[in-house]
Formats: sequence, structure tokens, C-alpha cells
Amino acid sequence: AQSVTQLDSQVPVFEEAPVELRCNYSSSVSVYLFWYVQYPNQGLQLLLKYLSGSTLVKGINGFEAEFNKSQTSFHLRKPSVHISDTAEYFCAVSVNNAGNMLTFGGGTRLMVKP
Amino acid sequence: DTAVSQTPKYLVTQMGNDKSIKCEQNLGHDTMYWYKQDSKKFLKIMFSYNNKELIINETVPNRFSPKSPDKAHLNLHINSLELGDSAVYFCASSQDPGGEETQYFGPGTRLLVL
Repeated sequence: AQSVTQLDSQVPVFEEAPVELRCNYSSSVSVYLFWYVQYPNQGLQLLLKYLSGSTLVKGINGFEAEFNKSQTSFHLRKPSVHISDTAEYFCAVSVNNAGNMLTFGGGTRLMVKP
Repeated sequence: DTAVSQTPKYLVTQMGNDKSIKCEQNLGHDTMYWYKQDSKKFLKIMFSYNNKELIINETVPNRFSPKSPDKAHLNLHINSLELGDSAVYFCASSQDPGGEETQYFGPGTRLLVL
């Protein structure tokens, strides 16, 4: 079975500052990795995903994430955040079998302050 | 032109009642899902259907019965509602059940059981 740990439940940051949201996973098989964002009172939207190849993945809204197999991590970064980035961010993993069962981390609330 | 839609958006009901939540996707996807998000924002998959066939049932009480009349719809019926069923329920869809597939989420149905 897979598991995902998001080490920070809340991350406060000032506008235009850089941010890193941490994600570590555990799995006995190869995984696919995802970051989803949930804006207040909305559903989840894909930010980016890692399937294979280059370990640095670029997503929407200026976010990027780096897959580190040795550290089993997939941290999300943005060099300069905006107020509009305030949201809940979820890291998730899946494996390549029938069902596409996403296992989510507990979420990190990013709070961008003016 | 909403991709994944859910009705109702809010549902307030008494313990012991039976209720249904409807989900429709217009993306032409083969696979649909139901997730439950609890009050601490933790997301967990409940069911997954591919081409109207159940492929994931994550130890959900049998009071919960999904029904897929066609590939575009996956409805969730809940019998004998309990206080612990209060949560946000998200429907999602993906092109197929492969682990690499992006899932597209609906806006959620906020269920409150009194």
C-alpha cells in the first residue's frame, strides 16, 4: 500500500515570497505523483504530475515540483506567490494498475499575506 | 459547459434519512470516482467505476450504494444516514483507469446530517 505525508498542515507566507510545500511518500512499487489544488469551496484541480523522465516538473500558475526517488519526496515550489495562491494543496500518489486509486496526503493550507 | 457537475451542492438532512447525490461528466471519460473529504480536509476514495463496472470499493459501509446508469453518470445513494456521514463528497472522472491519468473533480456536495 502507498502512503503520503505532507509535513506542514499550514504554511503562511508573504506575497511575492518563495514557497515550498513538502510531500513525502511511501511505496513498495513505482508510483506516479500528483499535486492538486483546492480553492475555497471548490473541487480539486491538477497543478502538475510526474509520470517519468525529467525529475523537474512544471505545472500551471508558475508552480513546479521535483521528484527525488532517493528521498521519496515530491516537494512543490513557487518562486513568488500571489494572494490568489491561497488554497489547500494536496499531494497524491497512484500506481499503474486498474482503478487509478489516488492516495492523498493530509493537505497543506497555503496562506498568502499581503 | 461544466466538465464534472454534482447536484445538489448542499444537503442538510436528519439522521436515518436516505439521500442521493448525482454526478455527471461531459468529458467523454470512461472512469468515474467518489471521494469523501472529512472535516479535517482528509480525502479518501470510496468507489471507482470503469465503463459502468465497479472496480474499486474501499471498505465503504454498504449503506452507500453507487449506481452508474451510463458512462457519463455516477450517482451515490446513502441509506440510513448517520452523523459521521457529514462531509464533502466529490465526484471525479478520468479518461481511463490507468494510474497516470489526471482526475477531474466536481465542485463537491456538502452533506450535513443532523
